[in-house]
Amino acid sequence: GAVVSQHPSRVICKSGTSVKIECRSLDFQATTMFWYRQFPKKSLMLMATSNEGSKATYEQGVEKDKFLINHASLTLSTLTVTSAHPEDSSFYICSARGAFHDTQYFGPGTRLTVL
Amino acid sequence: DQQVKQNSPSLSVQEGRISILNCDYTNSMFDYFLWYKKYPAEGPTFLISISSIKDKNEDGRFTVFLNKSAKHLSLHIVPSQPGDSAVYFCAASLGKGGSEKLVFGKGTKLTVNP
Repeated sequence: GAVVSQHPSRVICKSGTSVKIECRSLDFQATTMFWYRQFPKKSLMLMATSNEGSKATYEQGVEKDKFLINHASLTLSTLTVTSAHPEDSSFYICSARGAFHDTQYFGPGTRLTVL
Repeated sequence: DQQVKQNSPSLSVQEGRISILNCDYTNSMFDYFLWYKKYPAEGPTFLISISSIKDKNEDGRFTVFLNKSAKHLSLHIVPSQPGDSAVYFCAASLGKGGSEKLVFGKGTKLTVNP
C-alpha cells in the first residue's frame, strides 16, 4: 500500500511555456502533499506543503506565483511551473501522507528540462 | 545553511561487510530522523527512522544509531548486499514523526561490490 504516482516522468519544454506535473495517491487519501525539488548533487529541498482544500504553504524563497500548487482532491495535487526558464530545470518529487500515516510516501519524480 | 549534513558523498564496501553511513545535524529542535534509499530516476523509499527519545532502532539488516549530544546519527547495514547499492538520504523532522516537513541531507552514494 501507500503508492504515490507522478505524471509525467519526464518533460522537455521551451522557455516561456508552462508545465503541469500531477501527483496522485493511488491507494490512500492524502490529506497532505509535499513538493520537493532536487538539483544535481544537491539534497531534496521542500518547496511547499499543501493540505486538501487549502492554499499551499510555500517555503522561503519559493515564488508562489511561479510554482502554482493545487490540491483539489484527497488523491491529486498538481504543480504548475509557469513561464518556465532553463534555471527551473530540475527533478521535482512529490510526497503524500494520509491522516493516520506517520511518514511521507514519495512519488517517482518528474525530470523537467527547459530549453 | 545546511541543517542536515552528509559529509561523505560516496562509500564503497564489499558484499557481506558492514556499511556505515553518517549524518550530522545542527538544529537541536529536530526530534525525528529518517533514512531513505533512492535509486536513479525514482523517488526516495523509506528505510528506517528513529525518535529523539531513543538512541538505537533496528530493523533486520538496518540499524540506526542516534547520538543527540553529538548531533550525529548513523545507519548501519550488515551484511551489505549488492542490491543495497543506491543513494541514501538522511532526513530530519521537527515533529509528528516523518509526516511533517523534512529537511534532507545531500545523500551518500553506496556501492556494494560483489
